[in-house]
Amino acid sequence: EIVLTQSPGTLSLSPGGRATLSCRASQSVSQLAWYQHKLGQAPRLLIYGASSRATGIPDRFSGSGSGTDFTLTISRLEPEDFAVYYCQQYGSSPRTFGQGTKVEIK
Amino acid sequence: EVQLVQSGAEVKKPGESLKISCEASGYSFITYWIGWVRQMPGKGLEWMGIIYPGDSDTRYSPSFKGQVTISADKSFNIAFLQWSSLKASDTAMYYCARLQSSGNFYQPFDYWGQGTLVTVSS
Repeated sequence: EIVLTQSPGTLSLSPGGRATLSCRASQSVSQLAWYQHKLGQAPRLLIYGASSRATGIPDRFSGSGSGTDFTLTISRLEPEDFAVYYCQQYGSSPRTFGQGTKVEIK
Repeated sequence: EVQLVQSGAEVKKPGESLKISCEASGYSFITYWIGWVRQMPGKGLEWMGIIYPGDSDTRYSPSFKGQVTISADKSFNIAFLQWSSLKASDTAMYYCARLQSSGNFYQPFDYWGQGTLVTVSS
């Protein structure tokens, strides 16, 4: 099973700031996605294929990386971006999620 | 518009059985894999398994194989997650979600239901 480790656990930033979230895999990953999850809501697909934005996702969200190291960047934090973010590998079985990074208002 | 509407919250006792549902609309139900994700209280997301309603091909994560049953009724565009004997550790929010593309099952989830809270307590 591929273990995904996200860092940091919590990121405290101000609106307008830049968020850089990391997802590191225990072995090489062929397909990686990022999701945003707000309390009381369904998760939302942001990025798939490591760097492709899902439908309707603003361009302040970007994904990069390959192999075992991946990054989600939010260029300018909007108030609605404060949430928990999960990476997921879906290229091998079993599919696995990281433990999440919480982006909170500083 | 793609929509996944899940059944309501459940409170059950240990040992009881349960079947929760996810009604899909706005797309061809039989040509997209649909699956379930668990979120235990205060924890992250866990991929449980998926089903292809067209032929009921089902794939489980090893952690959930034998613990739950995923099924689908293509006549009514509904997917199900069921337990034969609940445990307190099954207390969680359960989300249904659709794989992004029809075809192979190595896809992310693009549409999600609103979640069904299952509480198991004596």
